[in-house]
Formats: sequence, structure tokens, C-alpha cells
Amino acid sequence: DVVMTQSPLSLPVTLGQPASISCRSSQSLVHSDGNTYLNWFQQRPGQSPRRLIYKVSNRDSGVPDRFSGSGSGTDFTLKISRVEAEDVGVYYCMQGTHWPLTFGGGTKVEIK
Amino acid sequence: EVQLVESGGGLVQPGGSLRLSCAASGFTFSSYEMNWVRQAPGKGLEWVSYISSSGSTIYYADSVKGRFTISRDNAKNSLYLQMNSLRAEDTAVYYCARGAWELLCDYWGQGTLVTVSS
Repeated sequence: DVVMTQSPLSLPVTLGQPASISCRSSQSLVHSDGNTYLNWFQQRPGQSPRRLIYKVSNRDSGVPDRFSGSGSGTDFTLKISRVEAEDVGVYYCMQGTHWPLTFGGGTKVEIK
Repeated sequence: EVQLVESGGGLVQPGGSLRLSCAASGFTFSSYEMNWVRQAPGKGLEWVSYISSSGSTIYYADSVKGRFTISRDNAKNSLYLQMNSLRAEDTAVYYCARGAWELLCDYWGQGTLVTVSS
């Protein structure tokens, strides 16, 4: 199985400051079709997960442009350019290239 | 508007069974692959199972293989998860989530809580 490793586990951030979350996979996430199926999800307290980013760097509809995804192969990053209070929650990466599908362990973003 | 509404959760004894349902609306259900994802209390997300749009292709996590069965009824716009031989470690909120590949988990339901305890 592909192991997804996120860091850090916890990320205290000052409002208005940037934040960055790393996600590494135990093997390449490049599919035979040429796509890289790496998604990012946000889970606010008490809510269901919400997809933010698909295929590494594509923002879902309605997702603020302060969220961006980058990376390739086995190393990926989610960046928040300026953290707002509504960004508090846990962020997960997920690979959709190899079966079984797997999630990272999550990164908790909180306000300092 | 896409909506996914799970139901069927509850308290069940170890070794017991439960059937979860996910009612879909706001999109052409028969055209979409579907997944079950679970989250144990205070823990992270774990993918459980996938079913193709026609139901012909199915995958399971090793942790549930042989005990859980995913199915769908496209005429009723519904997804199901039959859970047998339940264990304490199956205690979790179970979410249905739409899609695979580029559409992977683009929409989620609100979840239904399954508690396995004597």
C-alpha cells in the first residue's frame, strides 16, 4: 500500500501569515495515464471533509485562491498564502492513483 | 445541488451486522463511481471501499475485506455498505463520497456514526 506521510502534525499560524503543509508518498503517484491523482481536503471542526485541490494543483470551485497545491512524483505541498480564521481545521492529502486509496495522517492548523 | 445523505448507523454488539445507506440527489448517480470513507473518533480519514458506476468493479481496504460488502442501486440512487462481523475497531463515522480519478471524493455526505460495543 502507498503510505502518505504529512508534516507537520500541528501548525500554529498567525492570522495573515502563510502556512505550508508537506505530503510525501512512499511511491510515485504518477498514473499510467500520465495524471497524478493527489488531492487535498479540509475538515473544519464538526464538519465533513471538503475537497480543496485535485490532481496536485487544481482548485475546486469556490475554494479561495489563497489555497494552492504543488509538487510532483512523491513530494507535494499545500500552501495557504494568508491564513484566515475560517481556515482552522485538519488538512489531509489523499492519493487516488493506486489501490487501495490512502490518506495522510492529517495536519491540524490552528491560530496562534 | 449535489446531496449525499447517509443513514443506518447505530449501536451494535461485536460480531453483529449493520447496513448503511447513502441517498444521492442533484446529479446523475448512475454515471458516478462512489466510495465509503470512515473516521474513528478523534482520528484521521480511512478509505473503506469503492464501487464503479455500473457496480462491476469493487475494491476494499484490507481492514474490511471479507466482512464488508459495497453495493448500489442505480434505480434508487442509493449506495450501500453491508457490514458483518463488526469489531470495536470499526467504530467510526462513515461517509459516502462521490467520484474517482479526477472527481475523487469531490462531494461528501454528513456521515453516520457506527458504534460497536457490548
